[in-house]
Amino acid sequence: ELKVEQNPLFLSMQEGKNYTIYCNYSTTSDRLYWYRQDPGKSLESLFVLLSNGAVKQEGRLMASLDTKARLSTLHITAAVHDLSATYFCAVDRGGSEKLVFGKGTKLTVNP
Amino acid sequence: DAGVTQSPTHLIKTRGQQVTLRCSPKSGHDTVSWYQQALGQGPQFIFQYYEEEERQRGNFPDRFSGHQFPNYSSELNVNALLLGDSALYLCASSFSYQPQHFGDGTRLSIL
Repeated sequence: ELKVEQNPLFLSMQEGKNYTIYCNYSTTSDRLYWYRQDPGKSLESLFVLLSNGAVKQEGRLMASLDTKARLSTLHITAAVHDLSATYFCAVDRGGSEKLVFGKGTKLTVNP
Repeated sequence: DAGVTQSPTHLIKTRGQQVTLRCSPKSGHDTVSWYQQALGQGPQFIFQYYEEEERQRGNFPDRFSGHQFPNYSSELNVNALLLGDSALYLCASSFSYQPQHFGDGTRLSIL
């Protein structure tokens, strides 16, 4: 059974600081996704990582994938308050489109 | 171009009742997946519809059933509602194994 673990589950950081969220998954998978969710809202797609060594960046967020270690990271650079949200990673095994999500990381960026 | 639309946005039911949630996929998408997101948790896959048939199913009881119509829209039905069914229900659509687009969800509360 495919399992996805994120850590930390809660992250409180100051504006301007850097931090990394980790996502481990238990079995070989085809695609890894990062989503953002604001309170009471739906999921906003941030990144799709398809292959080993893939790195994608958008603004202050950068995601990477190491398929051998079954690990993805979401790195936050110089955090700003607007980044406060819950971030989920999800894995799609065999291109099945049956996404398995982690529990999410609730990020709070303090002024 | 309208994205994934879900209705209703909020719903309140009592234990034992039945509920139907609706989803219209993004234009051009033919696959619809449903997820349940309990408070503070990541979304969990319920099932997926393609060509009007259930293609995959997650670990949910038979009380959860669905349907897909010829225009690709979909319904999620839940019978004999339990308090634990209270959650945000998310619909996602896709085409040809491309990344899924999520709707804003239906918030279901069971009293």
